[in-house]
Amino acid sequence: GAGVSQSPSNKVTEKGKDVELRCDPISGHTALYWYRQSLGQGLEFLIYFQGNSAPDKSGLPSDRFSAERTGGSVSTLTIQRTQQEDSAVYLCASSLASGGGSYNEQFFGPGTRLTVL
Amino acid sequence: GQNIDQPTEMTATEGAIVQINCTYQTSGFNGLFWYQQHAGEAPTFLSYNVLDGLEEKGRFSSFLSRSKGYSYLLLKELQMKDSASYLCAVSPYGNNRLAFGKGNQVVVIP
Repeated sequence: GAGVSQSPSNKVTEKGKDVELRCDPISGHTALYWYRQSLGQGLEFLIYFQGNSAPDKSGLPSDRFSAERTGGSVSTLTIQRTQQEDSAVYLCASSLASGGGSYNEQFFGPGTRLTVL
Repeated sequence: GQNIDQPTEMTATEGAIVQINCTYQTSGFNGLFWYQQHAGEAPTFLSYNVLDGLEEKGRFSSFLSRSKGYSYLLLKELQMKDSASYLCAVSPYGNNRLAFGKGNQVVVIP
């Protein structure tokens, strides 16, 4: 079956420009996560959507970062006024809903490699 | 918060056994995950431990000791395709996000 897809796979932008990254989760998965992976670093949590609940935005590094999820499916991560330190691979993952405390494997997409010049 | 430590890199010979350690400091978590990530690819799930002890799945086994704040992933009969980064992550109480360590790069040589 179809996995998590992300687009674009690569994005090169100039400092100060805005970028939008897209994630299509696995059909039926109500939970969606954004992480970023910088060179030599572990995956860093950014934001989490669960159904119709308010998203957990506690991992967003600054107010230049925002994300939305329309119709409980596709999600867009927006970075405004990009900076060179934003260069990283941005990974999206999805999972089935959980009641908290139960096991729900997260399935990751291939990521978007963002390079800010 | 969570503080997860993993050694950065190790080299092993095809057919050998390697153990990848993960230590963590966290106030509480639902379970501990291991993911495999090949260069330029998405992380893929390997194992999940909730209770203390060993979980075996084919050539891969994962161990958890909550009291010691320690987990390891054991890779047996190493194959060249096992060259990858191995990521340890915990799922903290109260939410489903994963807190990852930096990963351990395993290089398998002939």
